[in-house]
Amino acid sequence: DTAVSQTPKYLVTQMGNDKSIKCEQNLGHDTMYWYKQDSKKFLKIMFSYNNKELIINETVPNRFSPKSPDKAHLNLHINSLELGDSAVYFCASSQDLTSGYTGELFFGEGSRLTVL
Amino acid sequence: GNSVTQMEGPVTLSEEAFLTINCTYTATGYPSLFWYVQYPGEGLQLLLKATKADDKGSNKGFEATYRKETTSFHLEKGSVQVSDSAVYFCALSARGNKLVFGAGTILRVKS
Repeated sequence: DTAVSQTPKYLVTQMGNDKSIKCEQNLGHDTMYWYKQDSKKFLKIMFSYNNKELIINETVPNRFSPKSPDKAHLNLHINSLELGDSAVYFCASSQDLTSGYTGELFFGEGSRLTVL
Repeated sequence: GNSVTQMEGPVTLSEEAFLTINCTYTATGYPSLFWYVQYPGEGLQLLLKATKADDKGSNKGFEATYRKETTSFHLEKGSVQVSDSAVYFCALSARGNKLVFGAGTILRVKS
């Protein structure tokens, strides 16, 4: 049973389209994250939710909108896709960040987005 | 703010060579330190961690020691294998704060 699962694994689309990536975790964690990894492997945090509440919102274009319907799910919707959005997007989860947890993050396998 | 600096790659080694990947950090307070590994086509996974000064984290033959005096957490392995080829990320987390990653170091091991 996969702990953190993301769908789709690959996504190829045209500029200007809108797309979504879904993430689910079955670890019982309270905090979930979205990271973006560029072609040079640099990893940048985008958002974090704790118990469905947004707690981290880095400088990300507002074309990106996360949604957490419950604490086990965190989806990422991207409007008006641009070439520069091509990257691998990783979902992750951890125990409650807001209560001072400083331990391990569990990552999904990533969703590779290619914008043509 | 908190930050992590790790050596640039790619690092290319022959099988059974000794590995060191340097990592230094800047942080207020006393952060926890981590090494994550990303195998090709996969997400990141925790390799090892240390939560206080002089702690040594170890796993799968890798080890790193939390050195407060030099603000470092260098990753070492005595004898690398082809299967160790991956991207290695040093990271830190201060209490209640998000994990901060270094830029990642690509390791390639040749047989």
